[in-house]
Amino acid sequence: GAGVSQSPSNKVTEKGKDVELRCDPISGHTALYWYRQRLGQGLEFLIYFQGNSAPDKSGLPSDRFSAERTGESVSTLTIQRTQQEDSAVYLCASSPGMNSPLHFGNGTRLTVT
Amino acid sequence: AQKITQTQPGMFVQEKEAVTLDCTYDTSDPSYGLFWYKQPSSGEMIFLIYQGSYDQQNATEGRYSLNFQKARKSANLVISASQLGDSAMYFCAMRWWNSGGSNYKLTFGKGTLLTVNP
Repeated sequence: GAGVSQSPSNKVTEKGKDVELRCDPISGHTALYWYRQRLGQGLEFLIYFQGNSAPDKSGLPSDRFSAERTGESVSTLTIQRTQQEDSAVYLCASSPGMNSPLHFGNGTRLTVT
Repeated sequence: AQKITQTQPGMFVQEKEAVTLDCTYDTSDPSYGLFWYKQPSSGEMIFLIYQGSYDQQNATEGRYSLNFQKARKSANLVISASQLGDSAMYFCAMRWWNSGGSNYKLTFGKGTLLTVNP
């Protein structure tokens, strides 16, 4: 079946612009996660959704970052007034339940110039 | 605080030999799960194996096995009969459930870069 889909796969933007990253989870997966991975680094947790609510937003780096999920499906991660330190790969993952592994998308590579 | 540590930034192994990638964790919660993921140079994250804290036996999935030593808080990944395609970054991760309720967050270690030599 279809896996987690992320778009765009690559995004180059100018410093100060807003960007929107999209994630389509696997159908039926109630849990959805966003992670950030800087070059050569591990995965940094950003936010988690259970259904449409976000019980854990602890990883969002600043108020420039926000995320929403609608219809227990698609999620968007928005970064306002992008900075060069926002350059990274943004990974989305979904999971059907608490004891299940996360299934990751291929990520969006964001470059802020 | 919960923490995952991978002390080997890089490892080398000869093709067809076995290799062990280290992972230690720190948590005071009795309920948790341990995961290993593989990330090839293409960037995708591939789930390999899972071990629950209450599982009595070590998890195995094909050539992958998890050497789970609960008292030592270690969850090392063993890859048997290494193949050239095993060259990748490997991440250990943990999810825990504390007394205050469920915690779905998966916390990752910094990873180990494995290179398989022909």
